[in-house]
Amino acid sequence: GQQVMQIPQYQHVQEGEDFTTYCNSSTTLSNIQWYKQRPGGHPVFLIQLVKSGEVKKQKRLTFQFGEAKKNSSLHITATQTTDVGTYFCAGYGNKLVFGAGTILRVKS
Amino acid sequence: GAGVSQSPSNKVTEKGKDVELRCDPISGHTALYWYRQSLGQGLEFLIYFQGNSAPDKSGLPSDRFSAERTGGSVSTLTIQRTQQEDSAVYLCASSLGESRTYFGPGTRLTVT
Repeated sequence: GQQVMQIPQYQHVQEGEDFTTYCNSSTTLSNIQWYKQRPGGHPVFLIQLVKSGEVKKQKRLTFQFGEAKKNSSLHITATQTTDVGTYFCAGYGNKLVFGAGTILRVKS
Repeated sequence: GAGVSQSPSNKVTEKGKDVELRCDPISGHTALYWYRQSLGQGLEFLIYFQGNSAPDKSGLPSDRFSAERTGGSVSTLTIQRTQQEDSAVYLCASSLGESRTYFGPGTRLTVT
Protein backbone atom coordinates (compact mmCIF):
# COMPACT_ATOMS: atom_id res chain seq x y z
CA GLY A 1 0.00 0.00 0.00
CA GLN A 2 0.90 3.64 -0.21
CA GLN A 3 3.58 4.62 2.32
CA VAL A 4 5.16 7.97 3.14
CA MET A 5 8.49 8.09 4.94
CA GLN A 6 9.70 11.24 6.64
CA ILE A 7 13.09 12.08 8.17
CA PRO A 8 14.48 13.09 10.52
CA GLN A 9 12.19 12.08 13.35
CA TYR A 10 13.51 14.82 15.57
CA GLN A 11 15.63 17.96 15.15
CA HIS A 12 16.87 20.32 17.83
CA VAL A 13 18.42 23.52 16.45
CA GLN A 14 19.79 26.75 17.78
CA GLU A 15 17.64 29.76 16.98
CA GLY A 16 18.84 31.22 13.70
CA GLU A 17 19.97 27.90 12.26
CA ASP A 18 18.30 26.33 9.25
CA PHE A 19 16.09 23.24 9.34
CA THR A 20 15.07 20.73 6.68
CA THR A 21 12.71 17.78 6.74
CA TYR A 22 12.46 15.25 3.92
CA CYS A 23 9.60 13.15 2.70
CA ASN A 24 9.61 10.14 0.38
CA SER A 25 6.65 8.22 -1.03
CA SER A 26 6.56 4.61 -2.18
CA THR A 27 4.26 5.61 -5.04
CA THR A 28 3.90 8.56 -7.41
CA LEU A 29 1.73 11.25 -5.90
CA SER A 30 -0.83 13.56 -7.45
CA ASN A 31 0.04 16.14 -4.83
CA ILE A 32 1.86 16.56 -1.56
CA GLN A 33 0.71 18.65 1.37
CA TRP A 34 2.53 19.98 4.42
CA TYR A 35 1.05 20.52 7.85
CA LYS A 36 2.26 21.92 11.14
CA GLN A 37 1.05 20.70 14.51
CA ARG A 38 1.76 22.65 17.66
CA PRO A 39 1.85 20.75 20.97
CA GLY A 40 -1.70 20.06 22.09
CA GLY A 41 -3.15 21.17 18.78
CA HIS A 42 -4.28 19.56 15.56
CA PRO A 43 -2.45 19.62 12.22
CA VAL A 44 -2.85 22.87 10.32
CA PHE A 45 -2.41 23.08 6.57
CA LEU A 46 0.65 24.94 5.31
CA ILE A 47 0.82 24.33 1.58
CA GLN A 48 0.03 22.00 -1.30
CA LEU A 49 2.38 21.18 -4.17
CA VAL A 50 0.96 19.70 -7.36
CA LYS A 51 3.44 20.07 -10.21
CA SER A 52 6.59 18.10 -10.84
CA GLY A 53 9.62 20.09 -9.66
CA GLU A 54 7.44 22.74 -8.05
CA VAL A 55 9.00 25.12 -5.53
CA LYS A 56 6.93 27.38 -3.31
CA LYS A 57 7.97 29.85 -0.65
CA GLN A 58 6.19 31.23 2.37
CA LYS A 59 8.41 33.81 4.04
CA ARG A 60 11.23 31.73 5.58
CA LEU A 61 9.72 28.39 4.48
CA THR A 62 10.62 26.78 1.14
CA PHE A 63 8.77 23.73 -0.13
CA GLN A 64 9.90 21.52 -3.00
CA PHE A 65 8.23 18.69 -4.90
CA GLY A 66 10.53 16.28 -6.68
CA GLU A 67 10.62 15.78 -10.43
CA ALA A 68 9.25 12.26 -10.10
CA LYS A 69 6.51 13.47 -7.74
CA LYS A 70 7.62 10.98 -5.10
CA ASN A 71 9.63 13.15 -2.76
CA SER A 72 9.41 16.54 -1.13
CA SER A 73 11.21 18.75 1.33
CA LEU A 74 10.49 21.64 3.66
CA HIS A 75 13.31 24.02 4.48
CA ILE A 76 13.11 26.71 7.13
CA THR A 77 15.72 29.46 7.01
CA ALA A 78 16.88 31.08 10.23
CA THR A 79 14.54 29.27 12.60
CA GLN A 80 12.67 31.15 15.28
CA THR A 81 11.11 29.92 18.51
CA THR A 82 7.70 30.29 16.89
CA ASP A 83 8.66 27.54 14.44
CA VAL A 84 8.55 24.82 17.11
CA GLY A 85 6.15 21.98 16.49
CA THR A 86 5.79 18.87 14.41
CA TYR A 87 5.91 19.15 10.64
CA PHE A 88 4.09 16.51 8.65
CA CYS A 89 4.11 15.81 4.97
CA ALA A 90 1.09 14.09 3.48
CA GLY A 91 1.07 12.49 0.08
CA TYR A 92 -2.05 12.06 -2.00
CA GLY A 93 -1.95 8.91 -4.13
CA ASN A 94 -5.46 7.51 -3.92
CA LYS A 95 -5.92 8.95 -0.44
CA LEU A 96 -4.01 11.27 1.89
CA VAL A 97 -1.30 9.41 3.79
CA PHE A 98 0.83 11.19 6.37
CA GLY A 99 4.50 10.81 7.10
CA ALA A 100 5.56 10.18 10.70
CA GLY A 101 6.43 13.85 11.19
CA THR A 102 9.54 15.73 12.25
CA ILE A 103 9.55 17.29 15.69
CA LEU A 104 11.36 20.64 15.65
CA ARG A 105 12.71 22.17 18.84
CA VAL A 106 14.39 25.57 18.74
CA LYS A 107 16.86 26.64 21.42
CA SER A 108 17.00 30.37 22.04
CA GLY B 1 -20.24 25.75 11.42
CA ALA B 2 -17.15 27.02 9.64
CA GLY B 3 -14.84 24.17 10.54
CA VAL B 4 -14.72 20.47 11.29
CA SER B 5 -16.22 19.66 14.65
CA GLN B 6 -15.86 16.53 16.74
CA SER B 7 -17.60 15.26 19.81
CA PRO B 8 -17.00 14.51 22.53
CA SER B 9 -13.73 16.36 23.06
CA ASN B 10 -12.76 13.93 25.80
CA LYS B 11 -14.01 10.44 26.54
CA VAL B 12 -13.01 8.23 29.42
CA THR B 13 -14.33 4.69 29.25
CA GLU B 14 -13.78 1.39 30.97
CA LYS B 15 -12.05 -1.44 29.20
CA GLY B 16 -14.58 -3.59 27.36
CA LYS B 17 -17.15 -0.85 26.79
CA ASP B 18 -18.16 0.45 23.36
CA VAL B 19 -17.62 4.07 22.33
CA GLU B 20 -18.90 6.26 19.52
CA LEU B 21 -17.00 9.26 18.25
CA ARG B 22 -18.69 11.81 16.03
CA CYS B 23 -17.38 14.04 13.28
CA ASP B 24 -19.18 16.88 11.52
CA PRO B 25 -17.18 17.80 8.42
CA ILE B 26 -17.23 21.09 6.59
CA SER B 27 -20.42 21.35 4.57
CA GLY B 28 -19.93 20.23 0.99
CA HIS B 29 -16.67 18.41 1.59
CA THR B 30 -16.73 15.11 -0.25
CA ALA B 31 -13.76 13.47 1.48
CA LEU B 32 -13.67 12.52 5.15
CA TYR B 33 -10.79 10.87 6.99
CA TRP B 34 -10.31 9.39 10.42
CA TYR B 35 -6.79 9.28 11.88
CA ARG B 36 -5.49 8.15 15.24
CA GLN B 37 -2.60 9.82 17.04
CA SER B 38 -0.96 8.41 20.12
CA LEU B 39 1.04 10.72 22.39
CA GLY B 40 4.08 12.06 20.57
CA GLN B 41 3.41 9.90 17.55
CA GLY B 42 2.38 10.45 13.95
CA LEU B 43 -1.00 10.22 12.31
CA GLU B 44 -2.21 6.68 11.79
CA PHE B 45 -4.71 6.42 8.92
CA LEU B 46 -7.90 4.57 9.87
CA ILE B 47 -10.58 5.05 7.21
CA TYR B 48 -11.40 7.27 4.24
CA PHE B 49 -14.77 8.18 2.74
CA GLN B 50 -14.96 9.80 -0.68
CA GLY B 51 -18.35 10.75 -2.03
CA ASN B 52 -20.56 7.75 -2.72
CA SER B 53 -17.65 5.37 -3.23
CA ALA B 54 -17.06 2.42 -0.95
CA PRO B 55 -14.93 3.56 2.00
CA ASP B 56 -11.25 2.66 2.20
CA LYS B 57 -11.11 0.71 5.46
CA SER B 58 -7.55 -0.50 5.02
CA GLY B 59 -6.27 1.31 8.12
CA LEU B 60 -8.73 -0.04 10.66
CA PRO B 61 -6.57 -1.95 13.18
CA SER B 62 -9.11 -4.66 14.01
CA ASP B 63 -12.73 -5.68 13.46
CA ARG B 64 -13.59 -3.89 16.70
CA PHE B 65 -13.34 -0.64 14.73
CA SER B 66 -16.01 0.49 12.30
CA ALA B 67 -17.17 3.75 10.83
CA GLU B 68 -20.02 5.05 8.79
CA ARG B 69 -20.86 8.26 7.06
CA THR B 70 -24.52 9.07 6.74
CA GLY B 71 -25.88 11.17 3.91
CA GLY B 72 -22.40 12.11 2.82
CA SER B 73 -22.01 14.30 5.87
CA VAL B 74 -21.71 13.28 9.54
CA SER B 75 -19.47 10.35 10.36
CA THR B 76 -19.36 8.11 13.40
CA LEU B 77 -16.37 6.00 14.41
CA THR B 78 -17.33 3.11 16.68
CA ILE B 79 -14.91 1.11 18.78
CA GLN B 80 -16.34 -2.02 20.35
CA ARG B 81 -14.96 -3.73 23.44
CA THR B 82 -12.36 -1.01 23.98
CA GLN B 83 -8.85 -1.96 25.03
CA GLN B 84 -6.21 0.16 26.76
CA GLU B 85 -4.17 0.31 23.56
CA ASP B 86 -7.08 2.15 21.94
CA SER B 87 -6.28 5.19 24.09
CA ALA B 88 -5.28 8.01 21.73
CA VAL B 89 -6.52 11.18 20.10
CA TYR B 90 -8.89 10.43 17.23
CA LEU B 91 -8.78 13.10 14.54
CA CYS B 92 -11.31 13.64 11.82
CA ALA B 93 -10.51 15.64 8.69
CA SER B 94 -12.40 16.66 5.59
CA SER B 95 -11.56 18.05 2.20
CA LEU B 96 -13.02 18.81 -1.18
CA GLY B 97 -11.48 16.06 -3.26
CA GLU B 98 -7.68 16.25 -3.28
CA SER B 99 -7.41 19.77 -1.96
CA ARG B 100 -6.24 20.97 1.45
CA THR B 101 -7.54 19.01 4.37
CA TYR B 102 -9.08 20.55 7.45
CA PHE B 103 -8.79 18.83 10.79
CA GLY B 104 -11.18 18.83 13.69
CA PRO B 105 -9.93 19.39 17.25
CA GLY B 106 -9.93 15.66 17.96
CA THR B 107 -11.45 13.39 20.58
CA ARG B 108 -9.11 12.27 23.34
CA LEU B 109 -10.05 8.72 24.26
CA THR B 110 -8.80 7.21 27.50
CA VAL B 111 -9.54 3.57 28.25
CA THR B 112 -9.10 2.67 31.90
